Amino acid sequence: NAGVMQNPRHLVRRRGQEARLRCSPMKGHSHVYWYRQLPEEGLKFMVYLQKENIIDESGMPKERFSAEFPKEGPSILRIQQVVRGDSAAYFCASSPEDRGRGSIETQYFGPGTRLLVL
Amino acid sequence: DQQVKQNSPSLSVQEGRISILNCDYTNSMFDYFLWYKKYPAEGPTFLISISSIKDKNEDGRFTVFLNKSAKHLSLHIVPSQPGDSAVYFCAASATGTASKLTFGTGTRLQVTL
Repeated sequence: NAGVMQNPRHLVRRRGQEARLRCSPMKGHSHVYWYRQLPEEGLKFMVYLQKENIIDESGMPKERFSAEFPKEGPSILRIQQVVRGDSAAYFCASSPEDRGRGSIETQYFGPGTRLLVL
Repeated sequence: DQQVKQNSPSLSVQEGRISILNCDYTNSMFDYFLWYKKYPAEGPTFLISISSIKDKNEDGRFTVFLNKSAKHLSLHIVPSQPGDSAVYFCAASATGTASKLTFGTGTRLQVTL
């Protein structure tokens, strides 16, 4: 299966703990996006990364949240000192290198990580 | 502010008939639109997209129509099948915004026998 992979699929944390969510993009894709879906809502953009660079983090809370996409290995979304309001489904998407001239590439999503904070 | 709106939270259609899902947007900078389908406990699956230079795009049973003046798009599924039962999300993007997608809240489609 060459799709976007996310792990873990389910994660339970107690308030104050750290959550680490991993995402491996599709083969050949160099762009990674993280989205969050709260119950009964649509997906909300959090952050867009390319290898070793954060391109746009305008949707990510300023505190406790961070993301990286290292040269080797998966992209990581890290939430420190989790609170109950962080309980949500976190989806990663990837897209290939854009073709330039302002083209927009389709994003393909992983199965998500469901985070539950007790 | 909800820049992409799907005003119908649910829709029920008989198998074999046409399903029409609607989406409205407010941001005139959006120039690329996508529809995703989502089953419970899975990630969204890309269905079909349309660029603002077109007003229609077709792929098999799925057709997306774009009315730029009304800032409205719709997804037509014909004929509808039971396997189409899922939540459908409309999403939009603007060139120059790093391709981040703005999603609607979704419409739950139920295709009945």
